Amino acid sequence: AQTVTQSQPEMSVQEAETVTLSCTYDTSESNYYLFWYKQPPSRQMILVIRQEAYKQQNATENRFSVNFQKAAKSFSLKISDSQLGDTAMYFCASRAGGTSYGKLTFGQGTILTVHP
Amino acid sequence: DAGVTQSPTHLIKTRGQQVTLRCSPKSGHDTVSWYQQALGQGPQFIFQYYEEEERQRGNFPDRFSGHQFPNYSSELNVNALLLGDSALYLCASSAAGGSGSEQYFGPGTRLTVT
Repeated sequence: AQTVTQSQPEMSVQEAETVTLSCTYDTSESNYYLFWYKQPPSRQMILVIRQEAYKQQNATENRFSVNFQKAAKSFSLKISDSQLGDTAMYFCASRAGGTSYGKLTFGQGTILTVHP
Repeated sequence: DAGVTQSPTHLIKTRGQQVTLRCSPKSGHDTVSWYQQALGQGPQFIFQYYEEEERQRGNFPDRFSGHQFPNYSSELNVNALLLGDSALYLCASSAAGGSGSEQYFGPGTRLTVT
């Protein structure tokens, strides 16, 4: 079984500044994937970034990067140069790898507000 | 290239009724997963369909059932609706059997049970 915990219900940041969202997880799988999804008020869930557990290098996608600490089971998201369009609910999620099953397990979410 | 589509967008039903939600996967995808998202919460996995079979199921009662058609589209059926079934229902599709590929989400169907 997998569990994902996001301990920050809400966060806020000024435009152009940097913010970090926290996530911890637990899994008995040796091979797994971790994700950050963004859900704006429009409701469409959008993949922000993905990390494969067997890769030691932290994933980066433009202004978004992760700090993956496998031993600590921590997976935080850093957003640099925050923009107003980054305002959304952010979900951390995990999925077992190496099988044909693609069930995602989500955390409770963090509401991020970017202020002008 | 059309992404994942869902219909209807919104739905209002009365307690005890039955409802069917529909999902068309992204072109090239063969696996469909359904999630229930209560207000202010993270999505919860309901089940996943692949090759017209339910491959994995979350902790949901038998009132929740589904179907996948030969064209990979899918339906979610909920019988004997309860007030607690009010939620956003998300469909996600993926390719290659759903193992290593990404899940792409649709815009969701907002179900309100009164």
